[in-house]
Amino acid sequence: SQTIHQWPATLVQPVGSPLSLECTVEGTSNPNLYWYRQAAGRGLQLLFYSVGIGQISSEVPQNLSASRPQDRQFILSSKKLLLSDSGFYLCAWSVQGIYGYTFGSGTRLTVV
Amino acid sequence: AQTVTQSQPEMSVQEAETVTLSCTYDTSENNYYLFWYKQPPSRQMILVIRQEAYKQQNATENRFSVNFQKAAKSFSLKISDSQLGDTAMYFCAFMKHGVRNYGQNFVFGPGTRLSVLP
Repeated sequence: SQTIHQWPATLVQPVGSPLSLECTVEGTSNPNLYWYRQAAGRGLQLLFYSVGIGQISSEVPQNLSASRPQDRQFILSSKKLLLSDSGFYLCAWSVQGIYGYTFGSGTRLTVV
Repeated sequence: AQTVTQSQPEMSVQEAETVTLSCTYDTSENNYYLFWYKQPPSRQMILVIRQEAYKQQNATENRFSVNFQKAAKSFSLKISDSQLGDTAMYFCAFMKHGVRNYGQNFVFGPGTRLSVLP
């Protein structure tokens, strides 16, 4: 069966520090991968999506970047975090999107 | 571009009662899919129910059912026999039919916060 792993679950980082959040998918090949951000009490904002290794599309220009070094690995990064980067980050995958997205358990990032 | 509207930011319901969450969407597409996701306090997004636009029959999953009105572009979620564990944020979502559905093809509504009261 397909599973998605996302870590860490919680992260507190100082302003100006780097960031690396990782997401891996098991049990499927060539998934579409997504990074979403959710501010407190808010809806979901699509940050990046990827349809294949090395293929990244950005939806919102910002302080973040994404990479897909392997088929089932998706990484969200920042060189220098801002206070506004705080939020809840969700990774998701789909193969045939008609069945919806499957989400990871999320990472709560607090930038202090 | 497609948009999804959830006009009820917050709702509450007594345990064991029935509640309906509304969702409307705007699209010029004829083939698409609609979803309801649940996000409990743990923050994990869970797929509740899915509807294919070309199917007239409303989808049902145990205590969860939808009222899909294609002409009205309405997709409401009914929760019967509400339980305390149903307390969560509920998101309606739209996906355009396509070969590879990704990026802007999947649109979420702003969410409805549902509280089930004991």
